[in-house]
Amino acid sequence: DAMVIQNPRYQVTQFGKPVTLSCSQTLNHNVMYWYQQKSSQAPKLLFHYYDKDFNNEADTPDNFQSRRPNTSFCFLDIRSPGLGDAAMYLCATSRDRGFQDTEAFFGQGTRLTVV
Amino acid sequence: GQNIDQPTEMTATEGAIVQINCTYQTSGFNGLFWYQQHAGEAPTFLSYNVLDGLEEKGRFSSFLSRSKGYSYLLLKELQMKDSASYLCAVRDDSNDYKLSFGAGTTVTVRA
Repeated sequence: DAMVIQNPRYQVTQFGKPVTLSCSQTLNHNVMYWYQQKSSQAPKLLFHYYDKDFNNEADTPDNFQSRRPNTSFCFLDIRSPGLGDAAMYLCATSRDRGFQDTEAFFGQGTRLTVV
Repeated sequence: GQNIDQPTEMTATEGAIVQINCTYQTSGFNGLFWYQQHAGEAPTFLSYNVLDGLEEKGRFSSFLSRSKGYSYLLLKELQMKDSASYLCAVRDDSNDYKLSFGAGTTVTVRA
């Protein structure tokens, strides 16, 4: 019973061709995160939504955008993927920011390959 | 900013005990999490500490010392399926409660 669902699991895109990754959640959580994880590295936070409030990390390239049309869905748009953007992209949710005992729930991830 | 350090790799024998250390330096602190991540899969939640001391959950225990900026994850009675990467993550209440991760410790369990 997956609670955070990412589609697709594997995505191959061409260099420079826009690509969208999707995430949906059935938990009704307020916060949704997008992380980028490269091999043997820590997941790196790109941005997060607190409800409809978008919070971008200072070092996230402009090439990465996000949309959250409703509570359940969040999209990651890569406008012009480069070879360096090949990575696992992880979507996570949490109930709220300030509650303790609130872990982040992760989706299965989308592994992006850029050719 | 955040600085979270953990060893890169550890190897242990089936049935043994392994302790994975994590040290952190963050501007604020609102909890430390341990996640397990198998190769090619998403992280799954293992444990959470916000107060000093030991939290035990079956074969897994996690310890926290806030004054030392230190935590460890203890895996007992190791099984082959425990071979995975273990990620230490800190939530920072001075930074929008964002969760920052260490690079992970790859544990290999050998027969």
